[in-house]
Amino acid sequence: QSALTQPASVSGSPGQSITISCTGTSSDLGGYNDVSWYQQHPGKAPKLMIYDVSNRPSGVSNRFSGSKSGNTASLTISGLQAEDEADYYCGSYRGTSSWVFGGGTKLTVL
Amino acid sequence: EVQLVESGGGLVQPGGSLRLSCAASGFTFSSYWMTWVRQAPGKGLEWVANIKEDGSEKYYVDSVKGRFTISRDNAKNSLYLQMNSLRAEDTAVYYCARDPDWGQGTLVTVSS
Repeated sequence: QSALTQPASVSGSPGQSITISCTGTSSDLGGYNDVSWYQQHPGKAPKLMIYDVSNRPSGVSNRFSGSKSGNTASLTISGLQAEDEADYYCGSYRGTSSWVFGGGTKLTVL
Repeated sequence: EVQLVESGGGLVQPGGSLRLSCAASGFTFSSYWMTWVRQAPGKGLEWVANIKEDGSEKYYVDSVKGRFTISRDNAKNSLYLQMNSLRAEDTAVYYCARDPDWGQGTLVTVSS
């Protein structure tokens, strides 16, 4: 059960926009719209930022947006802020009520 | 306010057993699938298992099949993970989750 593929790290300056990609296969990410993104600060539990590809839970800033094309999903953070520095994980349904996560991307705000 | 509080983690020897619990409050527990996710030290998230609302369906990641059992008690608003034949690679923080809510996790360390 291979993990989804994410870049190990991305960086950006305050105010800029960054995009984190998440690549899977037609058996998981490409085959379903159950794609989520999580933010995790050091020592904290993950926080759901995006669900069902592009939906934001209540309370999540509209600076966070999600999309999907084929077997690749993307998380875009606009107007980068220092508090956005964290690890980000994508997750996808992969059938038979099972799920898979990406390896995680460390976002550094320069 | 939704709360998920895990307990039961600790240090256990290889081959040993441990039972994790997750106490849920603030929502109708019996109406939701529930999930265990783990995170090894310095590593990423790994989905471990989930269970249907009434406990009739359970699914596991391949690496824990036959060793871990997920269960729930809807009368007690509680989720469980029975972990047997533990291995060093099971060392992780174990989270109880029902998106968008996650617990703070409980650390399981498998070491002699």
